[in-house]
Amino acid sequence: EQQVQQSPASLVLQEAENAELQCSFSIFTNQVQWFYQRPGGRLVSLLYNPSGTKQSGRLTSTTVIKERRSSLHISSSQITDSGTYLCAMGRNSNNRIFFGDGTQLVVKP
Amino acid sequence: EAAVTQSPRNKVAVTGGKVTLSCNQTNNHNNMYWYRQDTGHGLRLIHYSYGAGSTEKGDIPDGYKASRPSQENFSLILELATPSQTSVYFCASGDVGGRAEQFFGPGTRLTVL
Repeated sequence: EQQVQQSPASLVLQEAENAELQCSFSIFTNQVQWFYQRPGGRLVSLLYNPSGTKQSGRLTSTTVIKERRSSLHISSSQITDSGTYLCAMGRNSNNRIFFGDGTQLVVKP
Repeated sequence: EAAVTQSPRNKVAVTGGKVTLSCNQTNNHNNMYWYRQDTGHGLRLIHYSYGAGSTEKGDIPDGYKASRPSQENFSLILELATPSQTSVYFCASGDVGGRAEQFFGPGTRLTVL
């Protein structure tokens, strides 16, 4: 069973538009991490957000534990934001994390 | 943020040959992980470790061995490489204390001919 579901699978925006990425979990978790990856590149940790709302620059993540979901909001998108955004959840039992399939974002000029 | 490095960055190997991928982290994290990433499969966990001397099987351990000789170093070993092991391999390190947060290396692109 896929433990982490991400939506949408792909998203195309015009530069300066906002993006909302969603992540849902099959179990309750308070360990949520968002990553960014360019094709063939390193996974860059964007935000670790176990609960509530956290912000980093133009990125805002909101995690609602009781609803088993997390979102990532990208404001004023830029062409350089293009890439894949991955959501991951962890379970305290062994500090493993489980990844979703990602959202591919394309920002056009 | 933890500094995680991998070597080599690119590797071409022959079928049946032995391949060793190395990972080093400098932030004193207890946990280290090896993943592979393939189109259509996403990231899959191969082996992981809770500290020096420990290795645990992940979801796809067959054909791979791991070694954790020290806190800083974690190796992935392919004793008899096969073309199906052509992939991009990522190493990660993570903190403990109930915080399942991981930091990734740049990846190694392995091609087995």
